Order: sequence, then structure tokens, then C-alpha cells
Amino acid sequence: GAVVSQHPSWVICKSGTSVKIECRSLDFQATTMFWYRQFPKQSLMLMATSNEGSKATYEQGVEKDKFLINHASLTLSTLTVTSAHPEDSSFYICSHPAPREDTQYFGPGTRLTVL
Amino acid sequence: GEDVEQSLFLSVREGDSSVINCTYTDSSSTYLYWYKQEPGAGLQLLTYIFSNMDMKQDQRLTVLLNKKDKHLSLRIADTQTGDSAIYFCAERTRGGADGLTFGKGTHLIIQP
Repeated sequence: GAVVSQHPSWVICKSGTSVKIECRSLDFQATTMFWYRQFPKQSLMLMATSNEGSKATYEQGVEKDKFLINHASLTLSTLTVTSAHPEDSSFYICSHPAPREDTQYFGPGTRLTVL
Repeated sequence: GEDVEQSLFLSVREGDSSVINCTYTDSSSTYLYWYKQEPGAGLQLLTYIFSNMDMKQDQRLTVLLNKKDKHLSLRIADTQTGDSAIYFCAERTRGGADGLTFGKGTHLIIQP
């Protein structure tokens, strides 16, 4: 069964508004979660590493003031896209490291469309 | 340039073997992964290989790693229509809980 859930699965918003995406670890307390972005026909690009109880680590070129990450508990990380614009339209996917295997479990993704 | 490269498309006949290739540039890669993504779905881990191995087999899947050439392949035996998906190669280079670097994905097309 699924070990990582995301909500919502898709969202459409107007330009200039903010959108919050939730990522939940269903059966594992994750001190670290990852946020990726996937544009159509492109690969997943790591945006940031979310750390429970501390600030997120952002990859080069990702605006931390635009993509706010909060990891307030061991099972929930949120990504807020602030003042969204059409170029922010993408598929946002979260993941967390698997507990015993050296890999990651991915969520089903959230499709964001900004009009 | 790209850290992980893959061909964008592969077309095979049902019942044949599919071989999806991937090259990477970082010699410090520790683990290499193959993920499957079906339309509208999330990523599904298919298999992974540690960098000190050269082959791993799991049922219909065989992973070959040529560390010298930084080349990874995924062979799917007896390809079925349900194998139609996008296959992503990914690497992890840094120790600890770090994110993965993905290729652009190979779209596997199955011909009847």
C-alpha cells in the first residue's frame, strides 16, 4: 500500500494566489522529506530537502521565499507556492527515505495549474 | 550538461525483451535506481543497484552496471502491455538522506 500521500492531487488556481501542498508519511516518521518538480516531458528536479524542526535546504536556483516549506511534524511536510504564476504550473512530488532500504518512497504527486 | 541521460523513446514488440539504457556522469554515485511512472500515477521503484555490484536480477528485471563506462541498463524480459510506462534512471551521489538526480525518462512503447 501507499506509504506517502499528497493532498491535493490536483489544484487549479488564479495567478497571484498561494497554494499549499501537503505531503504525509503514512507509516514512517520521516525526519527528512524531499520535494521535486516535474515539468511536462521533463525529469524530476529536486527542489528542496525538508528537515523536521529546522529550515529546509533549497537547491540552487529555487527561490526559498517563493516555495515555502514547513516540516512541523515527523509525518507532515508542506510546500506553499506563494504568488503563483503560470510558469509555476507543474507536477510537484514529495518523497522520503525508506527506513531499511537505501532508496526513497514517492508520493503520487500534485498537479498544479496556474491560470 | 545533464547528469543522467536516457533515450526518450523505446518501442518493442510484446513478448520481446526491452533494454533501457542510461548514462551518468558522477563517478561518486553510490546507488542507481530504476523507477516506473504510469500516466497520472506517482513513481514506483522497480529496482536499484549498489555501485559495487555489476548485475542484479529480480524476476523479469535485470539491471547491469558498467561503472567504468558509467552505464546502467534495465532489461525487461517478455515485455507485456502493462509494462508501457516512462522509466526513469536516477542516481544518488551524496551520503545520507539526500535527494536523487533523475534522467528525463524513457517512454517504453509496446507494439502488439
